[in-house]
Amino acid sequence: AQSVTQLGSHVSVSEGALVLLRCNYSSSVPPYLFWYVQYPNQGLQLLLKYTTGATLVKGINGFEAEFKKSETSFHLTKPSAHMSDAAEYFCAVSESGANSKLTFGKGITLSVRP
Amino acid sequence: NAGVTQTPKFQVLKTGQSMTLQCAQDMNHEYMSWYRQDPGMGLRLIHYSVGAGITDQGEVPNGYNVSRSTTEDFPLRLLSAAPSQTSVYFCASSGRAQGLTYEQYFGPGTRLTVT
Repeated sequence: AQSVTQLGSHVSVSEGALVLLRCNYSSSVPPYLFWYVQYPNQGLQLLLKYTTGATLVKGINGFEAEFKKSETSFHLTKPSAHMSDAAEYFCAVSESGANSKLTFGKGITLSVRP
Repeated sequence: NAGVTQTPKFQVLKTGQSMTLQCAQDMNHEYMSWYRQDPGMGLRLIHYSVGAGITDQGEVPNGYNVSRSTTEDFPLRLLSAAPSQTSVYFCASSGRAQGLTYEQYFGPGTRLTVT
């Protein structure tokens, strides 16, 4: 069975500081990994995804994530936080790119201080 | 394209009432799913469908029914609402148009309160 661990429920950074949101996964097969963002009272928007190939994945809004198989991790980073990055972030895993069964982590709320 | 649409946006039910949450997509996607989102729990899969006429249970299916008579629609039925079903419900769809990985597109959600 697949699972996702996002440690902590809230991260606070200053504007311009590095953003690091951690995600570890468990999967019995090579995983497909995703990061989604949810702004208040909205649906989920895909930030980036890892399928195969290059382990450093770039997404929208300056975010990127690196797939590290040995550490079973897929941490999300952004070099310089912006106020508009304040949102909830979800890491998700699928054991197949060809199905609709995502397993999500519990989510992390990112706050950005002026 | 409207993408994934959900109705209603908000709903209040009394315990024991039944209702149907509507979900439709206009992207000709074969895969559709229902998730519920609860504080501190992330999103959990309720039911999913890999095509018209085919549905299966997810992680938390109890108290919910689904059917998929058309590619476009995937309604979620609450048979007898309970306070534990108070949640935000998201419908998602994905399909071959997104290439190798079937990226899921999410609807705006339905916020349900059961009193």
